[in-house]
Amino acid sequence: SQTIHQWPATLVQPVGSPLSLECTVEGTSNPNLYWYRQAAGRGLQLLFYSVGIGQISSEVPQNLSASRPQDRQFILSSKKLLLSDSGFYLCAWSPRQSNYGYTFGSGTRLTVV
Amino acid sequence: QKEVEQNSGPLSVPEGAIASLNCTYSDRGSQSFFWYRQYSGKSPELIMFIYSNGDKEDGRFTAQLNKASQYVSLLIRDSQPSDSATYLCAVTLSNSGYALNFGKGTSLLVTP
Repeated sequence: SQTIHQWPATLVQPVGSPLSLECTVEGTSNPNLYWYRQAAGRGLQLLFYSVGIGQISSEVPQNLSASRPQDRQFILSSKKLLLSDSGFYLCAWSPRQSNYGYTFGSGTRLTVV
Repeated sequence: QKEVEQNSGPLSVPEGAIASLNCTYSDRGSQSFFWYRQYSGKSPELIMFIYSNGDKEDGRFTAQLNKASQYVSLLIRDSQPSDSATYLCAVTLSNSGYALNFGKGTSLLVTP
């Protein structure tokens, strides 16, 4: 069966510090991968999606970036965090060429102080 | 800007009643529609998806889709206190690798 791992679960970082969140999927190949952010009182905002290694599409211009160095690994990064980057970051995956929705990881709650 | 609109609630229903959750969307290119449930502090989990106009039933849940009206709904029969959560409506984004556009969710409270 397929599983998605996301870490860390919680993170408190000072303004201006770097960020790296990692997500890995097991039990499948060639998944579509997604990063979302859910800020307090707001909906899920699509940040990045990837349909293959090295293929990253950005939905929202900001100080975040994403990379997919391996087929089942998706990394969200920032060089300098802003207060507005605080939120609940969720990684998700779906099978390639599938339209049955996707499965989320357990999320990372990031607080920028 | 492609929008997915939901009433934020809270929607309060007594235990055993039918809860009705509604969603409208603006992107006529959307082909697939999803309902997720999110408990406080947790990640969303998929409840149902629907592609065709009409009703789709799965246990106590029924999803309804009307593409002409750009309207999706979720009915929860025999509501239980454990159904208390935020329900997120999501629709596929055109030309975005099956990425989903989410509404802000409706908070449901089922009272014993």
